[in-house]
Amino acid sequence: AQSVTQPDIHITVSEGASLELRCNYSYGATPYLFWYVQSPGQGLQLLLKYFSGDTLVQGIKGFEAEFKRSQSSFNLRKPSVHWSDAAEYFCAVAPRLTFGTGTRLQVTL
Amino acid sequence: GAVVSQHPSRVICKSGTSVKIECRSLDFQATTMFWYRQFPKKSLMLMATSNEGSKATYEQGVEKDKFLINHASLTLSTLTVTSAHPEDSSFYICSASSSGGLRETQYFGPGTRLLVL
Repeated sequence: AQSVTQPDIHITVSEGASLELRCNYSYGATPYLFWYVQSPGQGLQLLLKYFSGDTLVQGIKGFEAEFKRSQSSFNLRKPSVHWSDAAEYFCAVAPRLTFGTGTRLQVTL
Repeated sequence: GAVVSQHPSRVICKSGTSVKIECRSLDFQATTMFWYRQFPKKSLMLMATSNEGSKATYEQGVEKDKFLINHASLTLSTLTVTSAHPEDSSFYICSASSSGGLRETQYFGPGTRLLVL
């Protein structure tokens, strides 16, 4: 069965600092991987997705993620965090979209 | 980009009543729509998958008679919580995709917060 693990429940970074959110997946074949962001009381917005090809994927809002098959990981990164990035971030794997438990990002000024 | 709306955004109802939540794809035809439930500080739990014109497929443990799903058109799916009880209080989110295929991205609605008193 496929599964997603986000080991960090809560992360706090200073505005302007770099960010990396961890995601590990379990799936027998080549996975389809997604990162979504959820602002308080809102639905999910797709940040980026990986299906195949280049393992470094660029997304919206300056985010990128790198697929590493050897580590079963798909970590999300951003070089410089803005206060508006504070939200809940979910990693997901398809087929049959399965979400991790999310990482809450807090940004300090 | 693909836009999905939900109505209402929040609803409060009395125990024993039924509540209907609408999910609409505004600028694309959604062959497949999904309904999720999200508990506080928890991940999204898939409740059911619906394809236009056919019966919904429910996940294990989700009561079909409790959560009625209708996908009557390519732009509208509804979730009706029947005889709601306080334990049904939650954040319900729908998503839609144009084909439901493995590589097809799901676009999410803004969610509906249900509070049952």
